[in-house]
Amino acid sequence: EAQVTQNPRYLITVTGKKLTVTCSQNMNHEYMSWYRQDPGLGLRQIYYSMNVEVTDKGDVPEGYKVSRKEKRNFPLILESPSPNQTSLYFCASSTGADNQPQHFGDGTRLSIL
Amino acid sequence: SQKIEQNSEALNIQEGKTATLTCNYTNYSPAYLQWYRQDPGRGPVFLLLIRENEKEKRKERLKVTFDTTLKQSLFHITASQPADSATYLCALPQAGTALIFGKGTTLSVSS
Repeated sequence: EAQVTQNPRYLITVTGKKLTVTCSQNMNHEYMSWYRQDPGLGLRQIYYSMNVEVTDKGDVPEGYKVSRKEKRNFPLILESPSPNQTSLYFCASSTGADNQPQHFGDGTRLSIL
Repeated sequence: SQKIEQNSEALNIQEGKTATLTCNYTNYSPAYLQWYRQDPGRGPVFLLLIRENEKEKRKERLKVTFDTTLKQSLFHITASQPADSATYLCALPQAGTALIFGKGTTLSVSS
């Protein structure tokens, strides 16, 4: 089954403790992206990657890092999480061709205390 | 930069009626526009894409229109059912293949 898998689905942690949210897709997609979704603000793009070893900032990249060492994986790293990064995070992938739909994971709910 | 407005945060309708959701954008007309459905606790799921040279697109009970003069897309669900209750998002291309999403309209269909 074609899917985007995120782990963990839920995480409560404390300020400053480094964490990684993993994202993996099995569709051989070139394009992958991370979003955060907050009430009243909608989905906002954090980082995206057009291919292996190619990453670019989205609209809200501050406080986040990403890497794309393999085509299928696109982890999101919070080196020193802060409470304002408490949010619902989604990973998405697509073929990368223009107008193609994005396939989303089921989300990771992060709470930073 | 491009801005998207989905005019209603919430829309309540009765089963069997047609739901109409609006998506307006502010700047350049995009080459295409996409609509997604999002259920609580789940990621958005792609529904329909309409290109700038298409006036209308249909898929089963769904219909999307695209008016580049009005800078607006309308999303219709005919013969709505309680199972159609969800949040619907419109999305436009930004740089490259990046998408910018509207904040969504939450549709509630009562029986």
